[in-house]
Amino acid sequence: GESVGLHLPTLSVQEGDNSIINCAYSNSASDYFIWYKQESGKGPQFIIDIRSNMDKRQGQRVTVLLNKTVKHLSLQIAATQPGDSAVYFCAETLINDYKLSFGAGTTVTVRA
Amino acid sequence: GAVVSQHPSWVICKSGTSVKIECRSLDFQATTMFWYRQFPKQSLMLMATSNEGSKATYEQGVEKDKFLINHASLTLSTLTVTSAHPEDSSFYICSARFGANVLTFGAGSRLTVL
Repeated sequence: GESVGLHLPTLSVQEGDNSIINCAYSNSASDYFIWYKQESGKGPQFIIDIRSNMDKRQGQRVTVLLNKTVKHLSLQIAATQPGDSAVYFCAETLINDYKLSFGAGTTVTVRA
Repeated sequence: GAVVSQHPSWVICKSGTSVKIECRSLDFQATTMFWYRQFPKQSLMLMATSNEGSKATYEQGVEKDKFLINHASLTLSTLTVTSAHPEDSSFYICSARFGANVLTFGAGSRLTVL
């Protein structure tokens, strides 16, 4: 099947700055998108999700933007903290089957 | 709520042996669970969909006779890696669907085959 890809494999950000992580997806039929955070040796942790009928969704310190026209997804983290250092994956699926297709992942490193 | 537990968290075995990994939903029932594999510094790849009371559905390229999946109850799915070889060494992660649209992942099981 088609896979989701990420633009940058690594991101270094100063503590307190905002982070933006990008993702390009290829399956135009996907209608549900999720961002996950994965720390070393652990399973993915849900951050935020968005359905295809929305273009923006906000959570606590995080915002997900969806641009269906160009099949682009982004995750914005406000006031990045050292605990935000991890690998971030976007994933796409059809909401009725939940078989996730993950992107390559972006490693975020927060500098003190 | 919505906790998924995997056991063991890590296992080392000899080449040619079989290893079983358990995935349990601790406080909810999951008719569907998913098994993923993740090689170092790579993304998660879906291996199969585990359905309670029926046969698992495998993704293209995943050998069903090598990766046996059993979902005998609403809270337990098992993945057995049969005749494991070093190339099967990986991080195996399960997830379960909780409620309308929440997927919860386990902490993963790291398999090392010597």
